[in-house]
Amino acid sequence: SNDLTQPPSVSVSPGQTARITCSGDNVGEKFASWYQQRPGQSPVLVVFQDNKRPSGIPDRFSGSNSGNTAILTITGTQVLDEADYYCQTWDSSTVLFGGGTRLTVL
Amino acid sequence: EVQLLESGGGLVQPGGSLRLPCEASGFTFNSHWIHWVRQGPGKGLMWLSRINGDGNVATYARSVKGRFTISRDNAKNTVYLQMEGLTAEDTAVYYCVRESTSQGLFFDHWGQGTPVTVSS
Repeated sequence: SNDLTQPPSVSVSPGQTARITCSGDNVGEKFASWYQQRPGQSPVLVVFQDNKRPSGIPDRFSGSNSGNTAILTITGTQVLDEADYYCQTWDSSTVLFGGGTRLTVL
Repeated sequence: EVQLLESGGGLVQPGGSLRLPCEASGFTFNSHWIHWVRQGPGKGLMWLSRINGDGNVATYARSVKGRFTISRDNAKNTVYLQMEGLTAEDTAVYYCVRESTSQGLFFDHWGQGTPVTVSS
């Protein structure tokens, strides 16, 4: 299967660490990327090549990818990080997205 | 500044067709693969199609292959998504997305999206 599975929701308190998982067969064999989507907005790249951050993305965002699981970690989560997060990789010529995780910060 | 501007969305009847242009600016257009991704109401992201910089290689998601056609006009810095045989399940916001030229396949710029509603 080339499906990517994410938990539908994750909740954290401000200042805590949020971890969002992305599971799939041998996902660690390909680079994983993560996108943040706030309500009513287009997705924004927050992590690429497993653990790199684009310019302008705070260093509280980090990633890892090994085996069958990629993980997005947000350290010191802030209220403004509340959003939907999607993992993404690819398989031959098909692009794969996870189902998305709603991060609630309260 | 990199910009991707989709247009052409709107209301279309079931069985109808629609063509979505995506006009790009702020970068060397023919150096990048361009993709289309959609998002149904309250749903996640779904990849649809991609086309290479020269416009001679295109791939599609299984669910739209044969109904959707991607193309590009590098002289106009524009990518198109031609959609045929539309059904209610095609109702979504359609995003034009730029693939990075860095290693790995990921999207470094997204358009603002154009909404498509399929309804009678």
